[in-house]
Amino acid sequence: GAVVSQHPSRVICKSGTSVKIECRSLDFQATTMFWYRQFPKQSLMLMATSNEGSKATYEQGVEKDKFLINHASLTLSTLTVTSAHPEDSSFYICSARELLRDRNYGYTFGSGTRLTVV
Amino acid sequence: RKEVEQDPGPFNVPEGATVAFNCTYSNSASQSFFWYRQDCRKEPKLLMSVYSSGNEDGRFTAQLNRASQYISLLIRDSKLSDSATYLCVVNLNNDMRFGAGTRLTVKP
Repeated sequence: GAVVSQHPSRVICKSGTSVKIECRSLDFQATTMFWYRQFPKQSLMLMATSNEGSKATYEQGVEKDKFLINHASLTLSTLTVTSAHPEDSSFYICSARELLRDRNYGYTFGSGTRLTVV
Repeated sequence: RKEVEQDPGPFNVPEGATVAFNCTYSNSASQSFFWYRQDCRKEPKLLMSVYSSGNEDGRFTAQLNRASQYISLLIRDSKLSDSATYLCVVNLNNDMRFGAGTRLTVKP
């Protein structure tokens, strides 16, 4: 089945620094990938839709200059949290759908990145 | 009104029990529907797609009622390993929206 690799799985960084999270589709091509954030005991919230070769589409309330998304190839999307603050501490998850799959197949998720900003 | 609503639970049931989760969605144009399972501190994993005709996968049965904009998941003969959070997911034009999840704990 489709596999999405996400790393790092955990990261601790100091306030003010930037953190890059990578999401790779290992055995399929994904023109679109999605980035979610999940705070403890809350639902996944879509942050942005990453489109290969074009600008990402951000959800309302998500700062595009703070959460930089790059989708340079059909198998790789990156999310960079810039100038991280403690309130950015969260579980970040990417997902992708195989290009040729129909809409009833669902999406495959990466294993998530737990970010802690100290 | 939230786009996807679920009873957060928690549901605490004994092994072998039958348990049902419900979910409602607000956008009648939604195209496809799923149940995902999420274990603590892990990523969600697809449990099953949900079709209007209803579908079953072993002990799991999913139903969709488009007229009422309602989705359900039934788990029969629950196992300890079924303990997890179950997420109702609704897709519209490649935009997946998640419910907050229903927490299930199956006890010996």
